[in-house]
Amino acid sequence: AQSVTQPDIHITVSEGASLELRCNYSYGATPYLFWYVQSPGQGLQLLLKYFSGDTLVQGIKGFEAEFKRSQSSFNLRKPSVHWSDAAEYFCAVGDRRDYKLSFGAGTTVTVRA
Amino acid sequence: EPEVTQTPSHQVTQMGQEVILRCVPISNHLYFYWYRQILGQKVEFLVSFYNNEISEKSEIFDDQFSVERPDGSNFTLKIRSTKLEDSAMYFCASSDTDNYGYTFGSGTRLTVV
Repeated sequence: AQSVTQPDIHITVSEGASLELRCNYSYGATPYLFWYVQSPGQGLQLLLKYFSGDTLVQGIKGFEAEFKRSQSSFNLRKPSVHWSDAAEYFCAVGDRRDYKLSFGAGTTVTVRA
Repeated sequence: EPEVTQTPSHQVTQMGQEVILRCVPISNHLYFYWYRQILGQKVEFLVSFYNNEISEKSEIFDDQFSVERPDGSNFTLKIRSTKLEDSAMYFCASSDTDNYGYTFGSGTRLTVV
């Protein structure tokens, strides 16, 4: 069965600094990989997804993620964070057969001025 | 941008009571899902629904749970006799295809006392 680990529960970053959120997955084949963001009181918004092809994926809000098969990782990055990026971020892996998602526990990002 | 709407945003119920969580998916979507997140834990898949029937359910989705699309616009999750451990945030999602084009709602926080 697939699983996702997000090692960092909480990250604090200064506005304008770079951000990297870690995600490791366990899956028997090439997975579908996703990053979602949840702002307070909001739903889960898709930032980006990887199905195949180029391992560097561009998403919305200036985020990107890189799929590294050798490390079973799909880390999320942003070169310069804005105060509005403060939120909870979830990595997820999808099964290619049944279209259900398995989520990581999430990483809360705090942005300080 | 089309949204998935969930009501209520917060519901408090007594143990043993029935609750119905409501969702209005995006109008042209055909696939519907419920996920839940117990506080401090991962977002977990509950059930998927297509063509007026359950297409897949998790082991969490036992006989206490049911889903329905009663009128072609709403998608409901019913818990017949709530338990304390049902306290969680419940997310509805819909998709126009079965390829992970999910849109999530903002969630209903259920508190069982």
